[in-house]
Amino acid sequence: ELKVEQNPLFLSMQEGKNYTIYCDYSTTSDRLYWYRQDPGKSLESLFVLLSNGAVKQEGRLMASLDTKARLSTLHITAAVHDLSATYFCAVSYGGSQGNLIFGKGTKLSVKP
Amino acid sequence: EAQVTQNPRYLITVTGKKLTVTCSQNMNHEYMSWYRQDPGLGLRQIYYSMNVEVTDKGDVPEGYKVSRKEKRNFPLILESPSPNQTSLYFCASSPSFGGRVYEQYFGPGTRLTVT
Repeated sequence: ELKVEQNPLFLSMQEGKNYTIYCDYSTTSDRLYWYRQDPGKSLESLFVLLSNGAVKQEGRLMASLDTKARLSTLHITAAVHDLSATYFCAVSYGGSQGNLIFGKGTKLSVKP
Repeated sequence: EAQVTQNPRYLITVTGKKLTVTCSQNMNHEYMSWYRQDPGLGLRQIYYSMNVEVTDKGDVPEGYKVSRKEKRNFPLILESPSPNQTSLYFCASSPSFGGRVYEQYFGPGTRLTVT
């Protein structure tokens, strides 16, 4: 059974600081997804990481994937209040790539 | 505008009364999926569909049915709802190439309460 674990589950940061959210998973998978959810809203796709060593960046967020370590990171650079949200990683599982398992999410709060 | 729509957005019903939540996308996506979101449990996949007439179970399929007769629609059916199906439900769609799923576009969500 595939397990996806995110750390930390809650993160309170000051504006301007850097931090990393970790997503590790227990079974081989070659793609990993990051999503953002604002309070009371739906989910928005941030990154799709398709292969080992993949790195993608958008603004202050950078995501990477190490399939050998079964680990993805979401790095936040110089956090701003607008980044406050819950971040989810998800991994495709098994023979059918359509079966996705989500982590429990990391609730990020960026304070002035 | 490219979008995934769900109806209804809010629903309060009673145990055992059959209901359908509709999901429609206008992006010609092959892949569609249903999730439920519960506090502390994140999102859990109920069913997914790689294409028309192709559906498969996710992690929590019990008590749910789906069908994919047309590419744009993927309704979620609760034949006999129970209180433990009270949840926030999301539909999503994605382009799919070679059986692989890319970025998903999520609908606005349906908040279901079963009393």
